[in-house]
Amino acid sequence: RKEVEQDPGPFNVPEGATVAFNCTYSNSASQSFFWYRQDCRKEPKLLMSVYSSGNEDGRFTAQLNRASQYISLLIRDSKLSDSATYLCVVNNDYKLSFGAGTTVTVRA
Amino acid sequence: EAGVTQFPSHSVIEKGQTVTLRCDPISGHDNLYWYRRVMGKEIKFLLHFVKESKQDESGMPNNRFLAERTGGTYSTLKVQPAELEDSGVYFCASSQRGLAYFSGANVLTFGAGSRLTVL
Repeated sequence: RKEVEQDPGPFNVPEGATVAFNCTYSNSASQSFFWYRQDCRKEPKLLMSVYSSGNEDGRFTAQLNRASQYISLLIRDSKLSDSATYLCVVNNDYKLSFGAGTTVTVRA
Repeated sequence: EAGVTQFPSHSVIEKGQTVTLRCDPISGHDNLYWYRRVMGKEIKFLLHFVKESKQDESGMPNNRFLAERTGGTYSTLKVQPAELEDSGVYFCASSQRGLAYFSGANVLTFGAGSRLTVL
């Protein structure tokens, strides 16, 4: 079983829509969690950190469910610039484990 | 603030040759990490430096890979001799504090990556 699993998508949504997707992790002892965003052939960039039950930053909301071992990301009022691959990242033993990414495409 | 800088951005070499990748972390970041993404796979951890010391090198695939961080500043990752399966994108990242700390100072900032193609 992979350490971090994500629905690869793609999620194709119109501008202004809400899109949400999940990530599951296998290690119940994982200490902290992150969502990174990666544009094509670019480096991963931090979107948000999740240390407790969740986090909200503008149009982006992350929720953590430790009992079920999943983290979700919700994007409200999608913009064209939100088109990217979203990487679920888990802190396992003080090194990061990455999911393969969820691709989101926002269309005009 | 300058970001994490990696060089070269792309390297194409023949199987059996040697390649050295360089990473300049953000100034003042004691923690430096190397990660790798091979085609079609997720990004995987290679190793972690704290200053000039190797904190964790459990992700290094084999002894053809050698990482150094002399003086605790920039780091190099040498692959010798390169094999076809070494092709991929090698990312370097740095942070002020390690992932044992739950604060913004532990957030990793990634470089743009060095794409390695072994023919």
